[in-house]
Amino acid sequence: KAGVTQTPRYLIKTRGQQVTLSCSPISGHRSVSWYQQTPGQGLQFLFEYFSETQRNKGNFPGRFSGRQFSNSRSEMNVSTLELGDSALYLCASSWGQGGEQYFGPGTRLTVT
Amino acid sequence: GEDVEQSLFLSVREGDSSVINCTYTDSSSTYLYWYKQEPGAGLQLLTYIFSNMDMKQDQRLTVLLNKKDKHLSLRIADTQTGDSAIYFCAESMDYGGATNKLIFGTGTLLAVQP
Repeated sequence: KAGVTQTPRYLIKTRGQQVTLSCSPISGHRSVSWYQQTPGQGLQFLFEYFSETQRNKGNFPGRFSGRQFSNSRSEMNVSTLELGDSALYLCASSWGQGGEQYFGPGTRLTVT
Repeated sequence: GEDVEQSLFLSVREGDSSVINCTYTDSSSTYLYWYKQEPGAGLQLLTYIFSNMDMKQDQRLTVLLNKKDKHLSLRIADTQTGDSAIYFCAESMDYGGATNKLIFGTGTLLAVQP
């Protein structure tokens, strides 16, 4: 069974641009969560989707948004990029609620 | 409140046991997890425990949960150099509805000396 995949793996953008990151969960998993990892703030929860519905959201500005498609694939978008958005963005997939949550390899975003 | 704490660094010799500790503050935790992160990589799920369990063993890994003290530990037996990594504990909580939101600790860097 293939694991969680994230594309692209690396991305360099300039301030003010926007970016879209993609996550494909493990086959059969319906929940996708997104996290931001930075040296200063550690791992912080962005949002979670289940069956195309956002069911939880972290404390991030409205520039951060996401969606989930009917095949459970998810995208997150960051508009008007700031230097502080440079981070490793990780997504996690699980079947339903609780239990095993598997992470992808992440997308490394650098904002210059 | 939501807070998970871990010590920052642990150094052990190859072949010894490692014990990584974690404390959390929210008594409504439902699942508690241990993840491993190697440089430049994502998070690898090592093991997890449901909050009504005291212990779980999986090959070289033993998880102990003391719910009264809100303390979680991960013991790695016969530690190898390949175990060198950052280890994160995480909790998921019951917010009164379905969610998989995880609260992570700061991570413990495990250095295994040959």
